[in-house]
Amino acid sequence: DAGITQSPRHKVTETGTPVTLRCHQTENHRYMYWYRQDPGHGLRLIHYSYGVKDTDKGEVSDGYSVSRSKTEDFLLTLESATSSQTSVYFCAISEGRYSYEQYFGPGTRLTVT
Amino acid sequence: SQQGEEDPQALSIQEGENATMNCSYKTSINNLQWYRQNSGRGLVHLILIRSNEREKHSGRLRVTLDTSKKSSSLLITASRAADTASYFCATDGQGGSEKLVFGKGTKLTVNP
Repeated sequence: DAGITQSPRHKVTETGTPVTLRCHQTENHRYMYWYRQDPGHGLRLIHYSYGVKDTDKGEVSDGYSVSRSKTEDFLLTLESATSSQTSVYFCAISEGRYSYEQYFGPGTRLTVT
Repeated sequence: SQQGEEDPQALSIQEGENATMNCSYKTSINNLQWYRQNSGRGLVHLILIRSNEREKHSGRLRVTLDTSKKSSSLLITASRAADTASYFCATDGQGGSEKLVFGKGTKLTVNP
Protein backbone atom coordinates (compact mmCIF):
# COMPACT_ATOMS: atom_id res chain seq x y z
CA ASP A 1 0.00 0.00 0.00
CA ALA A 2 1.14 3.50 -0.76
CA GLY A 3 2.24 5.36 2.34
CA ILE A 4 -0.61 7.78 2.84
CA THR A 5 -2.16 8.60 6.16
CA GLN A 6 -4.96 10.96 7.04
CA SER A 7 -5.69 12.51 10.39
CA PRO A 8 -7.99 12.59 12.12
CA ARG A 9 -9.94 9.59 10.82
CA HIS A 10 -13.17 10.77 12.42
CA LYS A 11 -14.21 14.19 13.63
CA VAL A 12 -17.39 15.77 14.90
CA THR A 13 -17.41 19.53 15.07
CA GLU A 14 -19.89 22.35 15.44
CA THR A 15 -21.05 24.77 12.78
CA GLY A 16 -18.80 27.81 12.57
CA THR A 17 -15.66 26.22 13.95
CA PRO A 18 -12.46 25.91 11.92
CA VAL A 19 -11.30 22.42 11.04
CA THR A 20 -8.00 21.22 9.58
CA LEU A 21 -7.50 17.81 8.04
CA ARG A 22 -4.03 16.49 7.40
CA CYS A 23 -2.72 14.25 4.67
CA HIS A 24 0.78 12.82 5.04
CA GLN A 25 2.68 10.79 2.43
CA THR A 26 5.95 8.94 2.51
CA GLU A 27 6.17 8.33 -1.27
CA ASN A 28 7.67 11.70 -2.26
CA HIS A 29 4.98 12.08 -4.95
CA ARG A 30 4.64 15.49 -6.51
CA TYR A 31 0.85 15.66 -6.80
CA MET A 32 -1.58 15.61 -3.88
CA TYR A 33 -5.35 15.92 -4.01
CA TRP A 34 -8.28 16.45 -1.66
CA TYR A 35 -11.65 14.97 -2.59
CA ARG A 36 -14.98 14.77 -0.87
CA GLN A 37 -17.35 11.86 -1.33
CA ASP A 38 -21.08 12.21 -0.84
CA PRO A 39 -23.97 9.88 -1.70
CA GLY A 40 -25.32 10.69 -5.12
CA HIS A 41 -22.34 12.84 -6.06
CA GLY A 42 -19.48 10.41 -6.22
CA LEU A 43 -16.01 11.78 -5.71
CA ARG A 44 -15.45 15.51 -6.27
CA LEU A 45 -12.15 17.34 -6.30
CA ILE A 46 -11.76 20.16 -3.77
CA HIS A 47 -8.16 21.32 -4.26
CA TYR A 48 -4.95 19.83 -5.50
CA SER A 49 -1.24 20.57 -5.30
CA TYR A 50 1.42 20.08 -7.96
CA GLY A 51 4.36 20.97 -5.74
CA VAL A 52 5.36 22.68 -2.53
CA LYS A 53 3.40 25.92 -2.25
CA ASP A 54 1.74 25.21 -5.64
CA THR A 55 -1.98 24.61 -5.34
CA ASP A 56 -5.08 25.03 -7.47
CA LYS A 57 -8.83 24.81 -7.11
CA GLY A 58 -10.99 21.87 -7.99
CA GLU A 59 -14.67 21.50 -8.68
CA VAL A 60 -15.97 22.29 -5.17
CA SER A 61 -13.40 24.61 -3.58
CA ASP A 62 -15.72 27.20 -1.98
CA GLY A 63 -15.35 27.20 1.81
CA TYR A 64 -12.06 25.30 1.71
CA SER A 65 -8.42 26.33 1.69
CA VAL A 66 -5.25 24.25 1.43
CA SER A 67 -1.59 24.56 2.19
CA ARG A 68 1.47 22.55 1.29
CA SER A 69 4.67 23.72 2.96
CA LYS A 70 6.44 20.35 2.65
CA THR A 71 6.32 17.66 -0.02
CA GLU A 72 4.88 15.14 2.41
CA ASP A 73 2.05 17.18 3.95
CA PHE A 74 -1.11 18.62 2.41
CA LEU A 75 -3.54 20.35 4.74
CA LEU A 76 -7.21 21.02 4.07
CA THR A 77 -8.86 23.73 6.17
CA LEU A 78 -12.52 24.48 6.55
CA GLU A 79 -12.40 28.08 7.75
CA SER A 80 -15.89 28.01 9.25
CA ALA A 81 -17.49 24.60 9.02
CA THR A 82 -21.06 24.27 7.77
CA SER A 83 -23.42 21.31 7.82
CA SER A 84 -23.08 21.01 4.03
CA GLN A 85 -19.44 20.11 4.58
CA THR A 86 -20.39 16.93 6.41
CA SER A 87 -18.75 14.33 4.21
CA VAL A 88 -16.01 11.77 3.85
CA TYR A 89 -12.77 13.40 2.76
CA PHE A 90 -10.10 11.52 0.84
CA CYS A 91 -6.56 12.51 0.13
CA ALA A 92 -4.80 11.08 -2.91
CA ILE A 93 -1.30 11.26 -4.35
CA SER A 94 0.23 10.61 -7.73
CA GLU A 95 3.66 10.77 -9.30
CA GLY A 96 2.54 12.92 -12.17
CA ARG A 97 -0.42 14.26 -14.00
CA TYR A 98 -3.53 12.49 -15.24
CA SER A 99 -1.63 9.67 -16.91
CA TYR A 100 -0.61 8.32 -13.55
CA GLU A 101 -2.71 6.33 -11.15
CA GLN A 102 -3.75 7.96 -7.92
CA TYR A 103 -3.23 6.33 -4.53
CA PHE A 104 -5.86 7.09 -1.94
CA GLY A 105 -5.70 7.49 1.80
CA PRO A 106 -8.17 5.78 4.16
CA GLY A 107 -10.45 8.81 4.44
CA THR A 108 -11.67 11.16 7.16
CA ARG A 109 -15.31 11.12 8.17
CA LEU A 110 -16.29 14.66 9.17
CA THR A 111 -19.62 15.49 10.77
CA VAL A 112 -20.62 19.12 11.26
CA THR A 113 -23.50 19.53 13.71
CA SER B 1 -19.52 18.57 -13.55
CA GLN B 2 -19.12 14.81 -13.93
CA GLN B 3 -17.22 13.61 -16.95
CA GLY B 4 -17.73 9.87 -16.52
CA GLU B 5 -21.09 8.25 -15.89
CA GLU B 6 -21.23 4.60 -14.85
CA ASP B 7 -24.03 2.25 -15.73
CA PRO B 8 -25.73 0.47 -14.07
CA GLN B 9 -25.81 2.24 -10.72
CA ALA B 10 -26.13 -1.10 -8.95
CA LEU B 11 -25.53 -4.69 -10.02
CA SER B 12 -26.19 -7.90 -8.10
CA ILE B 13 -24.88 -11.25 -9.36
CA GLN B 14 -24.03 -14.72 -8.12
CA GLU B 15 -20.50 -15.89 -7.44
CA GLY B 16 -18.92 -17.29 -10.58
CA GLU B 17 -20.87 -15.06 -12.96
CA ASN B 18 -19.34 -12.27 -15.00
CA ALA B 19 -19.99 -8.65 -14.13
CA THR B 20 -19.99 -5.88 -16.73
CA MET B 21 -19.98 -2.20 -15.89
CA ASN B 22 -20.06 0.63 -18.37
CA CYS B 23 -18.76 4.16 -18.35
CA SER B 24 -19.69 6.93 -20.75
CA TYR B 25 -17.99 10.29 -20.95
CA LYS B 26 -18.56 13.53 -22.78
CA THR B 27 -15.31 15.05 -24.02
CA SER B 28 -12.14 13.72 -25.59
CA ILE B 29 -9.71 12.08 -23.20
CA ASN B 30 -6.08 11.02 -23.01
CA ASN B 31 -6.79 8.02 -20.82
CA LEU B 32 -9.46 6.41 -18.68
CA GLN B 33 -8.94 4.69 -15.37
CA TRP B 34 -11.01 2.29 -13.29
CA TYR B 35 -10.95 2.21 -9.50
CA ARG B 36 -12.51 -0.03 -6.86
CA GLN B 37 -13.73 1.05 -3.43
CA ASN B 38 -14.55 -1.40 -0.72
CA SER B 39 -17.05 -0.18 1.87
CA GLY B 40 -15.50 2.36 4.21
CA ARG B 41 -12.14 2.38 2.44
CA GLY B 42 -10.24 4.53 0.00
CA LEU B 43 -10.24 3.92 -3.74
CA VAL B 44 -7.80 1.45 -5.25
CA HIS B 45 -6.53 1.77 -8.80
CA LEU B 46 -7.40 -1.19 -11.05
CA ILE B 47 -6.37 -0.36 -14.58
CA LEU B 48 -5.53 2.52 -16.91
CA ILE B 49 -6.30 2.43 -20.61
CA ARG B 50 -4.95 5.04 -22.99
CA SER B 51 -6.99 6.64 -25.73
CA ASN B 52 -5.04 4.77 -28.43
CA GLU B 53 -5.74 1.39 -26.82
CA ARG B 54 -8.91 -0.62 -27.39
CA GLU B 55 -8.60 -3.36 -24.82
CA LYS B 56 -6.55 -4.14 -21.75
CA HIS B 57 -6.42 -7.10 -19.40
CA SER B 58 -5.30 -7.52 -15.82
CA GLY B 59 -5.99 -10.87 -14.19
CA ARG B 60 -9.77 -11.36 -14.20
CA LEU B 61 -10.34 -7.79 -15.38
CA ARG B 62 -10.91 -6.79 -18.98
CA VAL B 63 -11.36 -3.16 -19.96
CA THR B 64 -12.41 -1.92 -23.37
CA LEU B 65 -12.42 1.60 -24.69
CA ASP B 66 -14.38 2.91 -27.65
CA THR B 67 -13.39 6.52 -28.23
CA SER B 68 -15.84 6.91 -31.12
CA LYS B 69 -18.70 6.16 -28.73
CA LYS B 70 -16.97 7.80 -25.77
CA SER B 71 -17.51 4.73 -23.66
CA SER B 72 -15.61 2.09 -21.72
CA SER B 73 -16.57 -1.16 -20.09
CA LEU B 74 -15.09 -3.12 -17.21
CA LEU B 75 -15.65 -6.86 -17.22
CA ILE B 76 -14.90 -8.94 -14.14
CA THR B 77 -14.88 -12.63 -15.00
CA ALA B 78 -15.70 -15.47 -12.59
CA SER B 79 -16.67 -13.04 -9.86
CA ARG B 80 -16.06 -13.74 -6.19
CA ALA B 81 -17.74 -12.45 -3.05
CA ALA B 82 -14.56 -10.42 -2.43
CA ASP B 83 -15.29 -8.45 -5.62
CA THR B 84 -18.23 -6.83 -3.83
CA ALA B 85 -17.40 -3.11 -3.98
CA SER B 86 -18.15 0.09 -5.83
CA TYR B 87 -16.39 0.63 -9.12
CA PHE B 88 -15.58 4.05 -10.54
CA CYS B 89 -14.29 5.23 -13.86
CA ALA B 90 -12.17 8.36 -14.01
CA THR B 91 -11.13 10.46 -16.96
CA ASP B 92 -8.73 13.32 -17.38
CA GLY B 93 -10.56 16.54 -18.05
CA GLN B 94 -10.84 18.23 -21.38
CA GLY B 95 -7.54 19.52 -22.66
CA GLY B 96 -5.54 17.10 -20.56
CA SER B 97 -5.73 18.82 -17.21
CA GLU B 98 -3.97 17.51 -14.13
CA LYS B 99 -7.29 16.61 -12.66
CA LEU B 100 -9.14 13.32 -12.83
CA VAL B 101 -12.91 13.47 -12.93
CA PHE B 102 -14.69 10.53 -11.33
CA GLY B 103 -18.11 9.12 -12.11
CA LYS B 104 -20.64 8.26 -9.42
CA GLY B 105 -19.83 4.58 -9.49
CA THR B 106 -21.46 1.19 -9.90
CA LYS B 107 -22.18 -0.72 -6.71
CA LEU B 108 -21.49 -4.41 -7.36
CA THR B 109 -22.77 -7.10 -5.01
CA VAL B 110 -21.56 -10.66 -5.54
CA ASN B 111 -23.68 -13.14 -3.64
CA PRO B 112 -22.03 -16.34 -2.41
